[in-house]
Amino acid sequence: AQSVTQLGSHVSVSEGALVLLRCNYSSSVPPYLFWYVQYPNQGLQLLLKYTSAATLVKGINGFEAEFKKSETSFHLTKPSAHMSDAAEYFCAVSEYGGATNKLIFGTGTLLAVQP
Amino acid sequence: EAGVAQSPRYKIIEKRQSVAFWCNPISGHATLYWYQQILGQGPKLLIQFQNNGVVDDSQLPKDRFSAERLKGVDSTLKIQPAKLEDSAVYLCASSPDSNEQFFGPGTRLTVL
Repeated sequence: AQSVTQLGSHVSVSEGALVLLRCNYSSSVPPYLFWYVQYPNQGLQLLLKYTSAATLVKGINGFEAEFKKSETSFHLTKPSAHMSDAAEYFCAVSEYGGATNKLIFGTGTLLAVQP
Repeated sequence: EAGVAQSPRYKIIEKRQSVAFWCNPISGHATLYWYQQILGQGPKLLIQFQNNGVVDDSQLPKDRFSAERLKGVDSTLKIQPAKLEDSAVYLCASSPDSNEQFFGPGTRLTVL
C-alpha cells in the first residue's frame, strides 16, 4: 500500500534562509507525488507534482522538489524563505498511480518563517 | 474559472445531531472527492465519485456517513448521528481527469 512520511511536524527558518521539507514515500507502483500548501482556514493548493517525467520539478512560488527513486524521497525546497511561505505543507502520493485516484497524505509540516 | 465551492464554512452541533455539507465542483469536472482532515493529520479520503457513480467509499463509515452526487454535479455529505470524533475539516475536491485535484476551502465541523 502507498504511504507517505513527513519528517518534522514543525520547521522554523529565518527569512531568506533555505527551506527544506522532507518527504519519503512507499509505493508498489510508479508513484505520482504531490506537494500541497494549506494556509489557515483555507483548502489545499497544489505547489507541484511529479508524474514520471523530469525528476526535478519546479512549482509555484519558487518551490521545487526532486524525485529520488533510490532514496524513495521527494523533498521540497526553496532557496530563500519569505514571510508569506508560513503555512502547512502536505506531501501526498496517489494510490494506484495516476492523478485522479485518491491521494494518500502525510501528516503535514508546519513551516514558520522568522523575521 | 470559479473554484470548488463548499458550504457552510463552519458548523457547530451537539453529538447525536445530524449535519449536511454541500459541494459544488468546478464546472465540467467529472471526479469529485470528499476528504476528512482531523486536526494535526493529513486529509483522508472518505468517498470518490466519477460522474454520479461511486468509485471508492472504502473508508466511509457507512453506519453514520452518507454521500450522494445527483446528476453528476453537486454533492452532499451527511453525518447522522454525529460523534465527538467527527470534529474535523471536510474538504471537497474535484478533478477534470488531468494531473490535479482542486480543493475547496473546506467545512470546519465541531461536535460538542
